[in-house]
Amino acid sequence: NAGVTQTPKFRILKIGQSMTLQCTQDMNHNYMYWYRQDPGMGLKLIYYSVGAGITDKGEVPNGYNVSRSTTEDFPLRLELAAPSQTSVYFCASVRANYGYTFGSGTRLTVV
Amino acid sequence: GDSVTQMEGPVTLSEEAFLTINCTYTATGYPSLFWYVQYPGEGLQLLLKATKADDKGSNKGFEATYRKETTSFHLEKGSVQVSDSAVYFCALRGSLTGGGNKLTFGTGTQLKVEL
Repeated sequence: NAGVTQTPKFRILKIGQSMTLQCTQDMNHNYMYWYRQDPGMGLKLIYYSVGAGITDKGEVPNGYNVSRSTTEDFPLRLELAAPSQTSVYFCASVRANYGYTFGSGTRLTVV
Repeated sequence: GDSVTQMEGPVTLSEEAFLTINCTYTATGYPSLFWYVQYPGEGLQLLLKATKADDKGSNKGFEATYRKETTSFHLEKGSVQVSDSAVYFCALRGSLTGGGNKLTFGTGTQLKVEL
């Protein structure tokens, strides 16, 4: 049982480049989330999904896009990378009334 | 909106010392409360939770009691170990329907335990 798998673990992007952060869960959870973690700032919600085909914005969605074509996958897309997007990104999934299961994170640096 | 405030770190303790990390919250209704732990280089792991007032969550020697009258959920451990060194996050999940089960996190408190 792999839980929540994120790839890649590390990435360096140049300003203006694009990339997709992958997230897959094998627990058949309906709810999935993308958070970013900045030093001293806790976790901020970027986007979330309550099921396949349904996504919604969180607190800090600007500069990101998501899709949810299957229950398992919830990729996060950065179209024009900016230095302000340097952060650690965490994907998570949850079954109702239980705690979240987090992936191990993607450390992204934009230079 | 919902918010969580927790004490700033880092907190540095000697092994076997008593730990308290304060957490207070603002939310409407009756939220569920959580403590998560993040070890270096890893994702967050659920440490304990409480879903209603006066519930006590406990795990691995850590405890926290849901106090609605003081809107608090302080984390305690009677005797910390070096292996407890990590960042601890307090979080809440609002009770309102349609919220997508979203968690609101505090800023995290780093704990360092020394021999």
